[in-house]
Amino acid sequence: EVQLVESGGGLVQPGGSLRLSCAASGFTFRIYEMNWVRQAPGKGLEWVSFISSSGSSIYYADSVKGRFTISRDNAKNSLYLQMNSLRAEDTAVYYCARVSGEGSVDYWGQGTLVTVSS
Amino acid sequence: QPVLTQSSSASASLGSSVKLTCTLSSGHSSYIIAWHQHQPGKAPRYLMKLEGSGSYNKGSGVPDRFSGSSSGADRYLTISNLQSEDEADYYCETWDSNTRVFGGGTNLTVL
Repeated sequence: EVQLVESGGGLVQPGGSLRLSCAASGFTFRIYEMNWVRQAPGKGLEWVSFISSSGSSIYYADSVKGRFTISRDNAKNSLYLQMNSLRAEDTAVYYCARVSGEGSVDYWGQGTLVTVSS
Repeated sequence: QPVLTQSSSASASLGSSVKLTCTLSSGHSSYIIAWHQHQPGKAPRYLMKLEGSGSYNKGSGVPDRFSGSSSGADRYLTISNLQSEDEADYYCETWDSNTRVFGGGTNLTVL
């Protein structure tokens, strides 16, 4: 069974940093592309970042470019999101999402809540 | 990059059918999309991949009541024999070489 379990969320002050993790199991993590997707309170889903299976290709939404860094450790079956210079508008539930071989997201984690507030 | 447009809300009666629409922006009418269901407090769930031809592939365990179709730039999700557990937000998704886009979502109410 495919499982994606996010952790690392919490309350952080504006300008602060947080590192999210996503533990993957039930599939061969190293061959799949991965994404982070977020949902702010009362809003829809927003794509945040993409990383290829090897980590050689990385893309970001304009809203987080220069502040967030996506990475992965295929030996540990883990995906990460380093978030720096956090803003109130980054407050959201952050989801780890697997990309299928056909291009769409096909599995989601339960999400971890990040709250940026003083 | 592509833009996906969805109605913000829809409603239909228990046991009836509903057809949700996702419209691709100009110049992107051939794009493949995916439909996802998101119930409050739960992880989003992948429903299906839907091509411009109308051909679709559903995710594991998705009931037969869910089907997809296409017409031009429009991509549809039809839910037949609506059940109370179908009450959720439904999002369409598409992707390009270096970006991924979600529609604004349709909140479906089962009356």
